[in-house]
Amino acid sequence: AQKVTQAQTEISVVEKEDVTLDCVYETRDTTYYLFWYKQPPSGELVFLIRRNSFDEQNEISGRYSWNFQKSTSSFNFTITASQVVDSAVYFCALSTTSGTYKYIFGTGTRLKVLA
Amino acid sequence: DVKVTQSSRYLVKRTGEKVFLECVQDMDHENMFWYRQDPGLGLRLIYFSYDVKMKEKGDIPEGYSVSREKKERFSLILESASTNQTSMYLCASSLFRGGETQYFGPGTRLLVL
Repeated sequence: AQKVTQAQTEISVVEKEDVTLDCVYETRDTTYYLFWYKQPPSGELVFLIRRNSFDEQNEISGRYSWNFQKSTSSFNFTITASQVVDSAVYFCALSTTSGTYKYIFGTGTRLKVLA
Repeated sequence: DVKVTQSSRYLVKRTGEKVFLECVQDMDHENMFWYRQDPGLGLRLIYFSYDVKMKEKGDIPEGYSVSREKKERFSLILESASTNQTSMYLCASSLFRGGETQYFGPGTRLLVL
C-alpha cells in the first residue's frame, strides 16, 4: 500500500525562525516521485518541488530546502528565516509509475508564521 | 505557464439540485483529476481521466459523475446534491500518467443547504 504521513497537523513559529515540515512515505515501488505543494488561504495548491526516487540530492531554492532520505523514507521541507507570507497549508504527495494515475497526498501541515 | 481554471470560486446549492463544476486546462495535458478537500482528511480523489471520454473512479466516487468530451475540459457532476457534499473541490491536470507534476485550479467552495 502507498501512504504519505504528515504527522504535524499545525505548527506555529515566530517570523525569522527556521521550520521543518516532516513527510514520511510508504511505497514498494522502486520508481516514484515526491512532491510538495503550498496552499495559501486563497485555496489554490501551488507546486513547489518534484523529486524522483533516484535523486537523493538535497535541493535548495531561496529560503526553501528539501531533504530526501530513502533510508528513512522521508522527504522533509525546511523554510529558513520564515516570513508571514509563508503561512499556508503544505501538502506532501507521492506518485508512482507502476500503472496507476493516482497521487497520494498527506493530510497537510498548517504553518502559521507570527509577526 | 500552466493554467487550470474552474468555473466558480464559490457556489451555494440546495439539497437535491444537480450541480456542475467545470474545469479547463490550457496546456494540452492528458490527465485531469477531481479531488475534494475536507479538514483533517487532506485531498481525496473522486475521479480522474487519462483521455477524452475516458474516466476512472477514484477513492470516493459515490454521488458523483464526470464528463470529458474535450481534452481541455473535465466536468464534475453532483447528480443530486446532499449536505455531506459541502466541501472544497479541486481540479488538477498533468501531462502524462503517474509521476508527472499535477497543476491545480483555484478550487470551488461548494455549500449545499
